[in-house]
Amino acid sequence: TQLLEQSPQFLSIQEGENLTVYCNSSSVFSSLQWYRQEPGEGPVLLVTVVTGGEVKKLKRLTFQFGDARKDSSLHITAAQPGDTGLYLCAGAGPGGSEKLVFGKGTKLTVNP
Amino acid sequence: KAGVTQTPRYLIKTRGQQVTLSCSPISGHRSVSWYQQTPGQGLQFLFEYFSETQRNKGNFPGRFSGRQFSNSRSEMNVSTLELGDSALYLCASSLVGRPTPRGTQYFGPGTRLTVL
Repeated sequence: TQLLEQSPQFLSIQEGENLTVYCNSSSVFSSLQWYRQEPGEGPVLLVTVVTGGEVKKLKRLTFQFGDARKDSSLHITAAQPGDTGLYLCAGAGPGGSEKLVFGKGTKLTVNP
Repeated sequence: KAGVTQTPRYLIKTRGQQVTLSCSPISGHRSVSWYQQTPGQGLQFLFEYFSETQRNKGNFPGRFSGRQFSNSRSEMNVSTLELGDSALYLCASSLVGRPTPRGTQYFGPGTRLTVL
């Protein structure tokens, strides 16, 4: 059983469209991180959200942490081909542990 | 500051062989974590070393082992390779290793291991 469920698993859209990626769990996390990974590279941290209900913006990317700190979403506005990649969410400290657990990722393709 | 480096980047082995992967963390980082990434399972935590001591361990068989040296460089060893060990092995370093802002993990580019 995956501790963190990401959806959708795959997403292919046209340039200029908006999209939302979801990360859900039944566990409470002390914080949640979003990474982007490009082919042949390791994941790169985009943002860390810590407080329930927190919203962070990074240019066209908006990240939200659920009130109960069990889920998160990533919204991209006016997607561009450069946004293409694998988006991973990672929850820190499930059940009070010190571990970081990852979702399986959402593979996003933005077509020009 | 130089990032996390991993060597080799690509490796091809046959079943039954063993392999050693190397990771050099960012200067000053004392925590090194190892992950296995496959299309089916995603990123799975192998183990974490902090100041030469294994502090956390994931659910992998004993064929997977690691160590950390006094300069924080880390190696991961897989013995008696199986076909299912084919994966991208990622190393991540952090200042403190705990999932806090100071424990932010920085990943290396990975070692792509193929077992034939």
